Amino acid sequence: EAQVTQNPRYLITVTGKKLTVTCSQNMNHEYMSWYRQDPGLGLRQIYYSMNVEVTDKGDVPEGYKVSRKEKRNFPLILESPSPNQTSLYFCASSERVRQGINYNEQFFGPGTRLTVL
Amino acid sequence: GENVEQHPSTLSVQEGDSAVIKCTYSDSASNYFPWYKQELGKRPQLIIDIRSNVGEKKDQRIAVTLNKTAKHFSLHITETQPEDSAVYFCAAIWANYGQNFVFGPGTRLSVLP
Repeated sequence: EAQVTQNPRYLITVTGKKLTVTCSQNMNHEYMSWYRQDPGLGLRQIYYSMNVEVTDKGDVPEGYKVSRKEKRNFPLILESPSPNQTSLYFCASSERVRQGINYNEQFFGPGTRLTVL
Repeated sequence: GENVEQHPSTLSVQEGDSAVIKCTYSDSASNYFPWYKQELGKRPQLIIDIRSNVGEKKDQRIAVTLNKTAKHFSLHITETQPEDSAVYFCAAIWANYGQNFVFGPGTRLSVLP
């Protein structure tokens, strides 16, 4: 089954304790992205990746890191989480970007609800 | 950078009526405008999209219109049904450069039986 998976689905942690949220897709998609969703603010893009070893900042990258060492995986790293990073996080992927043009549907993972105390 | 506004933030309609959600964007270079639907507790899913070289697109009960001059686009749902109740997000991107998706804040649609 074609899908985007995220782990963990729920996480409660404390300020300053490094954590990683994993994202994996089995659709051979080149483009992957991370979003955070907060009430009244919609989905805000954190980082995205056009391909392996190619990543770029979205609108709210502060406090986050990503890596894209393999095509299928795109982990989100919080080196020193703070309470303002409490949010619902979504990973998404879409098909190959042809000649820099991306009109492709994004497929979202199930979400990770993170609480930082 | 791009900024997307979306109105209304909440919308209640009677079953069978039409619903319209409007979005405006700031960057005239944006050329791709998708709409995503998010049911309660679930992930967003694409329902329709439009490119800047098209003024209108329709898929059964849903349609999207785009006015590039005014920099706004709208989602139209006709003959609404209870299963249309969800949060709807519009987005705008300049698909030819980078892939920075900017979403609107969302509209919570409630279809009352």
